[in-house]
Amino acid sequence: EDQVTQSPEALRLQEGESSSLNCSYTVSGLRGLFWYRQDPGKGPEFLFTLYSAGEEKEKERLKATLTKKESFLHITAPKPEDSATYLCAVKSMDTGRRALTFGSGTRLQVQP
Amino acid sequence: GAGVSQSPSNKVTEKGKDVELRCDPISGHTALYWYRQSLGQGLEFLIYFQGNSAPDKSGLPSDRFSAERTGGSVSTLTIQRTQQEDSAVYLCASSPGWRDTYSNQPQHFGDGTRLSIL
Repeated sequence: EDQVTQSPEALRLQEGESSSLNCSYTVSGLRGLFWYRQDPGKGPEFLFTLYSAGEEKEKERLKATLTKKESFLHITAPKPEDSATYLCAVKSMDTGRRALTFGSGTRLQVQP
Repeated sequence: GAGVSQSPSNKVTEKGKDVELRCDPISGHTALYWYRQSLGQGLEFLIYFQGNSAPDKSGLPSDRFSAERTGGSVSTLTIQRTQQEDSAVYLCASSPGWRDTYSNQPQHFGDGTRLSIL
């Protein structure tokens, strides 16, 4: 069974204080790892897909990295508008499992 | 609109009543997913539709839950005889690919229906 564990559950940062969010996963062959951002009352918004260990993707102040067991979302010099819940999800190579398996998310609060 | 549209945005109903939730996917997207998000929890897969293929119902929690997709576009999720544990946000997502199983096209989500059972 695919599993995704995200840590920490919640993180409070000062504006400009860089940090990383962790996503540990077990999957029967990784087809892709996805990061989403979710604002209160909204649906998840797609950020990145990572396919293989060693891959990195960047978007503004966010950088996602991938190893064989975990992914990190690095936030550099965050701003208050980066406050949100960040969700990690995996998709299995198992063609019988088309849906994503999600972690419970990390709630990020960036204070001015 | 350009995104996935869900209605209603909020639904409050009494225990034992039936509810219908609607999802209008992004135009041209052939894959459609329903997920459930309970407070503080990750998204839980419910059902998947791909084109005209038989849906993957493996995530439906009980036979009170059903879904259909008409004309390969709009989908309706129905919950019969609602229970308090059905209270959650129901999210719909769509993705482009007829080859979705073999690709990593991201799923794009609507803003969900917040269902509250009294």
